[in-house]
Amino acid sequence: ELKVEQNPLFLSMQEGKNYTIYCNYSTTSDRLYWYRQDPGKSLESLFVLLSNGAVKQEGRLMASLDTKARLSTLHITAAVHDLSATYFCAVLPHQGGSEKLVFGKGTKLTVNP
Amino acid sequence: DGGITQSPKYLFRKEGQNVTLSCEQNLNHDAMYWYRQDPGQGLRLIYYSQIVNDFQKGDIAEGYSVSREKKESFPLTVTSAQKNPTAFYLCASVTSGNYNEQFFGPGTRLTVL
Repeated sequence: ELKVEQNPLFLSMQEGKNYTIYCNYSTTSDRLYWYRQDPGKSLESLFVLLSNGAVKQEGRLMASLDTKARLSTLHITAAVHDLSATYFCAVLPHQGGSEKLVFGKGTKLTVNP
Repeated sequence: DGGITQSPKYLFRKEGQNVTLSCEQNLNHDAMYWYRQDPGQGLRLIYYSQIVNDFQKGDIAEGYSVSREKKESFPLTVTSAQKNPTAFYLCASVTSGNYNEQFFGPGTRLTVL
């Protein structure tokens, strides 16, 4: 059974600082997704990472995937208050025909002035 | 505009009642999913459907039922057998092709009175 672990689960940081959220998963996969959720809202797709070494950037967020280490990172550069939200990673198991995403528990990010 | 709609946004249920949550998409996606989210938690899969007239149980299907009579629609019924239904319910549909990216509706918040 695929397990997806995110850490940290809670992150409080100051504006202007950098930090990284980690997403580890337990079985083979070559598709990993990052989502953002604002309080009381739905999930918004941020990044789709499809292959080993994939790196994608949007604004102050950069996501990468290392399939050999079964690790994805979401790096935050020079954080601003608007980035405060909960971030989820989700993994699609590489089990022929499986279309069931497995989600991490989420990282609640609070950016303080 | 293409997208996923869920209704109602808020739903209150008395104990012993069945309620149905609506999910409609006009993205021409084949696959649709229902998730449950409890406060401070990740998403758990209830049911999913990869094609019309076919659906599969997810990890927490007990107390729920679904139908998929049309490609655009995937309603979820929360039955009286679901002992703790208060949660945030999210519907998603999936792009075809290599990305298999899930797009989420706005969600329905169900509260049992």
